[in-house]
Amino acid sequence: SAVISQKPSRDICQRGTSLTIQCQVDSQVTMMFWYRQQPGQSLTLIATANQGSEATYESGFVIDKFPISRPNLTFSTLTVSNMSPEDSSIYLCSVGRLQETQYFGPGTRLLVL
Amino acid sequence: SQQGEEDPQALSIQEGENATMNCSYKTSINNLQWYRQNSGRGLVHLILIRSNEREKHSGRLRVTLDTSKKSSSLLITASRAADTASYFCATDQTGANNLFFGTGTRLTVIP
Repeated sequence: SAVISQKPSRDICQRGTSLTIQCQVDSQVTMMFWYRQQPGQSLTLIATANQGSEATYESGFVIDKFPISRPNLTFSTLTVSNMSPEDSSIYLCSVGRLQETQYFGPGTRLLVL
Repeated sequence: SQQGEEDPQALSIQEGENATMNCSYKTSINNLQWYRQNSGRGLVHLILIRSNEREKHSGRLRVTLDTSKKSSSLLITASRAADTASYFCATDQTGANNLFFGTGTRLTVIP
């Protein structure tokens, strides 16, 4: 299993600002994923972040809005840029190998006013 | 949409009763995973069942998988108030690199 931590755990931000969320894993992993969970909804994948390559974004998500860094095999950041109230969600990072269990961080609860 | 669907959307039972949640999906899968989420927190992995397995147990949890019907069920026996949470199924689909989550079931266990 993997132990994943996220910072911050929650934040309240003003519209138009940006927030960077950090994800730290206790072991080296190749694949890291960023998900968004809007209020009362299920999880939607934002992007897959592999170390040494550009993140791969899902339909509806773009790099300008959600830039991702993956500087090494244990760390990643997701930035939510130029925020609006519609960005209020829980953002979760996860790690896992193909066809194996995927583990999730505790999430970052974001409220945009 | 590649997202699965779960039913019921919400379930309320008395402590000690069993709770059954169902998940349906649309494509071929490598495995299906069930997660629990307490009140907007992170997801806790409960169980993984592979496409060649039909049933799996873990403590008070029993998961079944019927690939011919593209469906799975999660049974929680002898429920406890602490089981109150949202439960999600997630499919590891053939040819994809990530999980696709179902819509979730909100379970409330009344003490």
